[in-house]
Amino acid sequence: QKEVEQDPGPLSVPEGAIVSLNCTYSNSAFQYFMWYRQYSRKGPELLMYTYSSGNKEDGRFTAQVDKSSKYISLFIRDSQPSDSATYLCAMSLSGTYKYIFGTGTRLKVLA
Amino acid sequence: NAGVTQTPKFQVLKTGQSMTLQCAQDMNHNSMYWYRQDPGMGLRLIYYSASEGTTDKGEVPNGYNVSRLNKREFSLRLESAAPSQTSVYFCASSTQENTEAFFGQGTRLTVV
Repeated sequence: QKEVEQDPGPLSVPEGAIVSLNCTYSNSAFQYFMWYRQYSRKGPELLMYTYSSGNKEDGRFTAQVDKSSKYISLFIRDSQPSDSATYLCAMSLSGTYKYIFGTGTRLKVLA
Repeated sequence: NAGVTQTPKFQVLKTGQSMTLQCAQDMNHNSMYWYRQDPGMGLRLIYYSASEGTTDKGEVPNGYNVSRLNKREFSLRLESAAPSQTSVYFCASSTQENTEAFFGQGTRLTVV
């Protein structure tokens, strides 16, 4: 079993929809959680960074961490065609330099 | 504001050839990383440098060496390239452990 599981998609939604992207993980000791957006043939771009449980909002993006269920989510409101990309979740243990990445979910927002 | 800069962007090598991938960051970060990205495998850590003067193995270090030249620069060397090293390589940096990592644009390497 992988430490971090992420549905590869693709996930296709119409423009303006609310998108929900998710990751599950097996190591309950993870404390730091990140979401990255990666456009084709580009490097990952940091979207959200959260510590421990709870919600964090930044513009159209909301990150949620549910440590009891070992489940993290990224919500995108009012999705745009420019949001079409692969979304990677990542997490790490306290005091380490090793970030564990999910394999990414491909999102397509249709105009 | 360049962030993390990688060179070259593309490279084709023959089996057995050697090459060095260069990475530089201008964010005054202490920690730097090398990842490889393969389809269905996600990003996997090759080596990292917690701070200037230190390097440590990651998840997939075999066949690679690294040098933390100074605080800004972290290079990855393939001494004898193999087709299994065909991948996209990303350099990243962060202020310290558990902080946000920022990535370069990648080097697309093909070994034939």
